[in-house]
Amino acid sequence: AQSVTQPDIHITVSEGASLELRCNYSYGATPYLFWYVQSPGQGLQLLLKYFSGDTLVQGIKGFEAEFKRSQSSFNLRKPSVHWSDAAEYFCAVGAGAAGNKLTFGGGTRVLVKP
Amino acid sequence: NAGVTQTPKFRILKIGQSMTLQCTQDMNHNYMYWYRQDPGMGLKLIYYSVGAGITDKGEVPNGYNVSRSTTEDFPLRLELAAPSQTSVYFCATEASGNYEQYFGPGTRLTVT
Repeated sequence: AQSVTQPDIHITVSEGASLELRCNYSYGATPYLFWYVQSPGQGLQLLLKYFSGDTLVQGIKGFEAEFKRSQSSFNLRKPSVHWSDAAEYFCAVGAGAAGNKLTFGGGTRVLVKP
Repeated sequence: NAGVTQTPKFRILKIGQSMTLQCTQDMNHNYMYWYRQDPGMGLKLIYYSVGAGITDKGEVPNGYNVSRSTTEDFPLRLELAAPSQTSVYFCATEASGNYEQYFGPGTRLTVT
């Protein structure tokens, strides 16, 4: 069975500082990996996705993520955080097949200090 | 172009009552999904559909039913509400082969 672990429940970062969110997955085949962001009271928005090819993928809002197969990780990074990045971030893994059923991690809540 | 709409936004149910959560999309996506999000947790898949007339169970289907008679609509039915169904429910859609899911704003349900 597939699973996703996000080890950090909360992260506090100063505005302008860099941010890295960790994601570890367990999946038997080639994973389809995703990062979603959820602002308070909102639905989820896709930040980026990885299926194959270059292991460093760029997303929206200045985010990037790196796929490391040897470590079963797909960490999300942003070089300089803005106050508007305060939100909850979810890593997810899917099969990519018909009916792309996603398994989500528990989420990491990011607080941004001025 | 409204995307994915969900109604109602909020609802309080008494134990044993029933209700239907509505999800409608105007993106002509074949795939639709229902998730629930419990406090402090990630989303869990309840049911999904790969097209009109085709539905299948996800990870946590007990206590729920779905139907998909049109491409646009994917209602989620709770027959006998229980406190364990207190959650935020999200509907999502996906164009087949795209693997990107678009989420609605959610329905916050409390069962007391």
